[in-house]
Amino acid sequence: QQQVKQSPQSLIVQKGGISIINCAYENTAFDYFPWYQQFPGKGPALLIAIRPDVSEKKEGRFTISFNKSAKQFSLHIMDSQPGDSATYFCAASMVLKNNDMRFGAGTRLTVKP
Amino acid sequence: DAGITQSPRHKVTETGTPVTLRCHQTENHRYMYWYRQDPGHGLRLIHYSYGVKDTDKGEVSDGYSVSRSKTEDFLLTLESATSSQTSVYFCAISESGLVDTGELFFGEGSRLTVL
Repeated sequence: QQQVKQSPQSLIVQKGGISIINCAYENTAFDYFPWYQQFPGKGPALLIAIRPDVSEKKEGRFTISFNKSAKQFSLHIMDSQPGDSATYFCAASMVLKNNDMRFGAGTRLTVKP
Repeated sequence: DAGITQSPRHKVTETGTPVTLRCHQTENHRYMYWYRQDPGHGLRLIHYSYGVKDTDKGEVSDGYSVSRSKTEDFLLTLESATSSQTSVYFCAISESGLVDTGELFFGEGSRLTVL
């Protein structure tokens, strides 16, 4: 049973558009929410992360929005570029249960030129 | 890029044979992890290590064992490979575990096919 549910499974966006990927979790003990980006043939790499004490975090074109009451968080990619085409994973971990990070199933993003 | 080397990068084996995957790091990080990646499941933790000879089970540890005799090396062993263990295996390292920043640095993966 997936503890972190991610949608959509795949996403196609035109260059310059906004890409939005959503994640939902059940366990309220989760207190750290990272997003990882993975290019074909490579390992995932940390993109951006948020803790539940803030509702939004922005780094360049990437923004995480966090809704603690709804137990949902999302990744927004503004001005999407073909170079952003990759698979994106949301994840959640618990400070009290060290080393237990749960990943979503992933979203394959394609940005068309 | 974090200094993580996985070997072999590709392996095809037959059901019932033992398989060992190796992860070597040059970062001197304390924590090392083995994940498997499967379509529709994301990444799932198999085992992790928090120091030399210190290991613990993850979410999907059945059928796998690990060993860490040196800080830089973390081995994943499939004692008797099954077709359900066909997957891409990723090693990851972390300086301080997931308590602080939670950042994992991943290797490039080992694709294992069990026929």
